[in-house]
Amino acid sequence: QVQLVESGGGVVQPGRSLRLSCAASGFTFSSHGMHWVRQAPGKGPEWVAVISHDGTKKYYADSVKGRLTISRDNSKNTLYLQMSSLGTEDTAVYYCAKDRRVEASNLDYWGQGIQVTVSS
Amino acid sequence: AIQLTQSPSSLSASVGDRVTITCRASQGFNNALAWYQQKLGKAPKLLIYDAFNLESGVPSRFSGSGSGTDFTLTISSLQPDDFATYYCHQFYSFPITFGQGTRLEIK
Repeated sequence: QVQLVESGGGVVQPGRSLRLSCAASGFTFSSHGMHWVRQAPGKGPEWVAVISHDGTKKYYADSVKGRLTISRDNSKNTLYLQMSSLGTEDTAVYYCAKDRRVEASNLDYWGQGIQVTVSS
Repeated sequence: AIQLTQSPSSLSASVGDRVTITCRASQGFNNALAWYQQKLGKAPKLLIYDAFNLESGVPSRFSGSGSGTDFTLTISSLQPDDFATYYCHQFYSFPITFGQGTRLEIK
């Protein structure tokens, strides 16, 4: 069955960096777009970024452009989110999610989420 | 960015009720819309894809419809497990956006 397992979260000071990983299994990773979606406490989901199945296309929310970078390693079935210049507004649960298609469409599987807290 | 406005924001209903949630888009598009259910402390779960297709394993009491600027999620007969928060999501254009959510509570 499809499994998505996030790791790398934690507490980080403002201005610092963090890298999240998402280990995927149970499907052909290289055939699907992958997303990061975050959710701040008490808020709805906020889409962060998507990467196409082959890694050639990447799109970002305006709120993270230039600070967060999505990437993937299809040989390792792993998705990444490199986060830099973090601010308190980045505090949220971060989910990786599998797309039904090769780029951006419906999100049919989600990880359990990982907490990122930006605080001094 | 396409803004999605869900109505109502919250709803109290009883087991067996028929419930409709609306998602209105700030500009029209085709069927590039999905619906998710989220329970407290859990990840969202896909219910409806491409506006009207029922995701595998989702009970048939859930249905989706609409196009253009108005989309709806209907639950034909509420069950106890359905009390949760529901979100619409458009992927027609970037940035991808979600609605603000509809909290469905037990009356």
